[in-house]
Amino acid sequence: DTGVSQDPRHKITKRGQNVTFRCDPISEHNRLYWYRQTLGQGPEFLTYFQNEAQLEKSRLLSDRFSAERPKGSFSTLEIQRTEQGDSAMYLCASSPGGEGGTGELFFGEGSRLTVL
Amino acid sequence: QKEVEQDPGPLSVPEGAIVSLNCTYSNSAFQYFMWYRQYSRKGPELLMYTYSSGNKEDGRFTAQVDKSSKYISLFIRDSQPSDSATYLCAMSAKWNKAAGNKLTFGGGTRVLVKP
Repeated sequence: DTGVSQDPRHKITKRGQNVTFRCDPISEHNRLYWYRQTLGQGPEFLTYFQNEAQLEKSRLLSDRFSAERPKGSFSTLEIQRTEQGDSAMYLCASSPGGEGGTGELFFGEGSRLTVL
Repeated sequence: QKEVEQDPGPLSVPEGAIVSLNCTYSNSAFQYFMWYRQYSRKGPELLMYTYSSGNKEDGRFTAQVDKSSKYISLFIRDSQPSDSATYLCAMSAKWNKAAGNKLTFGGGTRVLVKP
């Protein structure tokens, strides 16, 4: 399967613990996005990478959140000192292209976080 | 007020009926319009993509965009129980280096097709 891969699919943690999610985009895609989706809501943008450069961060991404994409391949999203309000599905998406682009994003299956 | 509004449903229809979904938006910069289907506890799957105003048909699916009214629609003909899912509209402005093709989503409409 050459789609977007996310790991783990589900993480249960206690409040205050740190968690890390990994995303492997479609291999030829140089753009990578993280979104967060809470129950009954649409996905909300968190951050965007063009290759290894993190170019935009949403105000939703507090200082407890950090995302990286070393070497422009896979990406990680770390949440430090988790809070119950962090419980959500964290979605990774990728898209191809250099300049320009059509806006078609391809999503992974998501990593669901439950903070107890 | 949200940039993209979508009725949460649920929308219940009998098998074989036409499912009609829509979204309204406020940002006139949006140029690319998409519909995603999301099954429970799964990631969104791209169904339809449309650039600017107009219609697009793909099998049982028809997407319509009316930029003058800031209104987009998705029609599903001959609906099947397997079409039961949440349908998300999404849109983006013209690509820019800073934000790429950042999508803004509606809240999703839950659809139930009854056998």
